[in-house]
Amino acid sequence: AQTVTQSQPEMSVQEAETVTLSCTYDTSESDYYLFWYKQPPSRQMILVIRQEAYKQQNATENRFSVNFQKAAKSFSLKISDSQLGDAAMYFCAYRSAWTQGGSEKLVFGKGTKLTVNP
Amino acid sequence: DAGITQSPRHKVTETGTPVTLRCHQTENHRYMYWYRQDPGHGLRLIHYSYGVKDTDKGEVSDGYSVSRSKTEDFLLTLESATSSQTSVYFCAIKGQGGTGELFFGEGSRLTVL
Repeated sequence: AQTVTQSQPEMSVQEAETVTLSCTYDTSESDYYLFWYKQPPSRQMILVIRQEAYKQQNATENRFSVNFQKAAKSFSLKISDSQLGDAAMYFCAYRSAWTQGGSEKLVFGKGTKLTVNP
Repeated sequence: DAGITQSPRHKVTETGTPVTLRCHQTENHRYMYWYRQDPGHGLRLIHYSYGVKDTDKGEVSDGYSVSRSKTEDFLLTLESATSSQTSVYFCAIKGQGGTGELFFGEGSRLTVL
């Protein structure tokens, strides 16, 4: 079974600075998808960014970008120019690209709580 | 907006009582999911559905059952609630895009006394 590990339970960053959140995963598959979700205090789960494993180019969404290292099974999230509104729990998630046998589900890491200091 | 509504949003109940959480979607998505979120555990899959009357277990399914009698509704039932089932419960649907990301409801906070 696939597992997702977020080794940093908590991180902090100064406003306007850059922070990187780590995520590693364990899989024997070659084709899969990776995601970062943000959960602010409102509790709503918000998709931040997605990455397809067969694409070598790292995904970017405005101030959010990833460093996808397939061989190392690493998928870190970089937040540039941090803002107070970025303060939240961040979850890394994995989904197999194999579409049978119950693979249509996301496996989540335990999360990293990001604090943004003014 | 993925059109997902969870009810109730908050519930306090006593040990041993049955509880049903409802997830309603308006966009005819095939796949629906129930996750629970607990501090230090992230989100863990309880059950999911891949069509009407088609459901399967996730990693933490003990003590839970589900039903899906129509596309738009996915019910999660705790037959006899225990304090260990105090949690925040999220319903999700699988998006139509190729990457299959999930879109979540707003969550239901359940407290079992």
